[in-house]
This record gives sequence, structure tokens and C-alpha cells, in this order.
Amino acid sequence: NAGVMQNPRHLVRRRGQEARLRCSPMKGHSHVYWYRQLPEEGLKFMVYLQKENIIDESGMPKERFSAEFPKEGPSILRIQQVVRGDSAAYFCASSPTEQGRNEQYFGPGTRLTVT
Amino acid sequence: QKEVEQDPGPLSVPEGAIVSLNCTYSNSAFQYFMWYRQYSRKGPELLMYTYSSGNKEDGRFTAQVDKSSKYISLFIRDSQPSDSATYLCAMAPRAQKLVFGQGTRLTINP
Repeated sequence: NAGVMQNPRHLVRRRGQEARLRCSPMKGHSHVYWYRQLPEEGLKFMVYLQKENIIDESGMPKERFSAEFPKEGPSILRIQQVVRGDSAAYFCASSPTEQGRNEQYFGPGTRLTVT
Repeated sequence: QKEVEQDPGPLSVPEGAIVSLNCTYSNSAFQYFMWYRQYSRKGPELLMYTYSSGNKEDGRFTAQVDKSSKYISLFIRDSQPSDSATYLCAMAPRAQKLVFGQGTRLTINP
């Protein structure tokens, strides 16, 4: 059973460009979460999505950041007009659809560098 | 004050030692508790998952939750050099929006 997949693994963007990060959850998982890990800091929650719905975006910056999880295809985290402070590792996690199963499994991450 | 406090270490022990890693928290609503292992430049790997108070054992790993003291622990028996990594505690009221500790960097010396 393949784990959570993220791509690209490394992404370099110039200030002002857009960054698109993709996440495919594990098979049988319909809950997706995005977290950000800044250098020397812990993981911080950004957003929780189910298919076609944003459930909790309380950790998402109000501007420039958006997320979606369409009916078909991977979840996308989009960062518009990137700035140097967006440089970080972005991790996606998924949890099972089955009720009562709440554990989250993480992907390998996308390391975004803004130059 | 952070919701979850974890000593960042670094912690260095000899191979074969018992390792104790701990986190304290302030939010009494937390019910789901997890421990992750993260190797350098990799994603966090789920080690242990517990709900509410009590102990859970899996191989060389034991997780303990004491909700009355707002304190959780992870014990590693017969530690191996391959256990060298950063260990992250995480918790949530409804296992959706995980709140992580800062992580403890552990080195097992052969």
C-alpha cells in the first residue's frame, strides 16, 4: 500500500511567483491535512480538507494561501506571490475514512525555497 | 506559554539504554496523543497513537498518557543507533488539528 505522496519534493521559486504543492493521500483515506515546518520550529497546522470541502483552515494565512481537494485528483496547496518567509518544508498528512480511525500519516514533504 | 512543551535536547545515550522522552501540555481538551519519529529531511513517521489515558506497547516502544498531570511519555527499550532521529509528540482534542511539540533530537551512540 503506497504511502502519502507529495510532489515536487523540492521547489525553488523567485519572490512574486506562485508555488503549487500536490498531495495524494493513502488509499482508503479521504481526510487530508497540510502542515508547515519552518527551520528550527515544530510542525504547524494549516488546513484540514475532505473531498471538495475545507473543514478547518484556521492555521492558514489569510492572504496568498489557498487549498483544495477536488473530487478527482490530488489535494493542492497554492501559495501566490511567494515571499522569502514562505521558505519551509510543507507536509501533507492523511487519515482513514473509517470512523474512529484518527491517526495521521505523513508524506515526505515539499521543501520550498524562495530566492 | 506554548500549548505543548517538549525538551528539544539534544539527548545522547549509549546503545542498549532505555530512553525516556516527554511532553507536557496545557489544554485539558486534548484526547488524542501521538508520537512521531522524523529522520533528517524526511516526513514524520507515526510510531504510537493513543486515545485518552493509559499505556500502549508496541515492540520496543511504550507510550504513556497521564491526563491528570497533562504529561505524556515515550519509552524506547534496547535503543539502537537506527533510533537516532527527532521525536515529535502531537496531540489534539478531536485528532484533526494536531498540535506538535518542538521535537527532541535523540542520538544513540554505538
